[in-house]
Amino acid sequence: NAGVTQTPKFQVLKTGQSMTLQCAQDMNHNSMYWYRQDPGMGLRLIYYSASEGTTDKGEVPNGYNVSRLNKREFSLRLESAAPSQTSVYFCASSETALAEGNEQFFGPGTRLTVL
Amino acid sequence: SQKIEQNSEALNIQEGKTATLTCNYTNYSPAYLQWYRQDPGRGPVFLLLIRENEKEKRKERLKVTFDTTLKQSLFHITASQPADSATYLCALVPFWGGYNKLIFGAGTRLAVHP
Repeated sequence: NAGVTQTPKFQVLKTGQSMTLQCAQDMNHNSMYWYRQDPGMGLRLIYYSASEGTTDKGEVPNGYNVSRLNKREFSLRLESAAPSQTSVYFCASSETALAEGNEQFFGPGTRLTVL
Repeated sequence: SQKIEQNSEALNIQEGKTATLTCNYTNYSPAYLQWYRQDPGRGPVFLLLIRENEKEKRKERLKVTFDTTLKQSLFHITASQPADSATYLCALVPFWGGYNKLIFGAGTRLAVHP
């Protein structure tokens, strides 16, 4: 039972390049989330998927797109990377929507640097 | 504006003492609060949840209180150990927004010295 896995662990991009961050969970969770974490700031929600087939914007969605490929997988795409997107990205999942008080399970993170 | 504030300065305490971390919020009506632990280079790990109609929750050496009048949650670790050294994050789910958003504070770093 791996929990939440993310690939890659580290990535360096040049401005304007694109890439996709992959996330998968093996806990049969319905809801999945993408956050970014910057020094001195809390985790900020980029996009979330309350259930398979749905996605919604979070607090900082500009410059990102997401795909809920199936119940297990939720990917985050940067179409044209910018230095402001240098951050640590975390994927998380929860059993159902947060109304149930469910905890979130986090992946190990992807450290992205945009030059 | 809406804010969740945790002490940005590290908390340094002696092993065996009680650590108390503070989470204050402004202009939110939380349905509940969660506390997470984050070690360097790793993702956060859930510790405790407390609902808006609960005053206190305990789990082993951990205790969380929630005061909706003061708009504050306190997180206590009793008989602290060096292994408790980490960053602790508070997060709340507001009543609005379809209960799908967890809003995080920036975290407080705790260092427990032998």
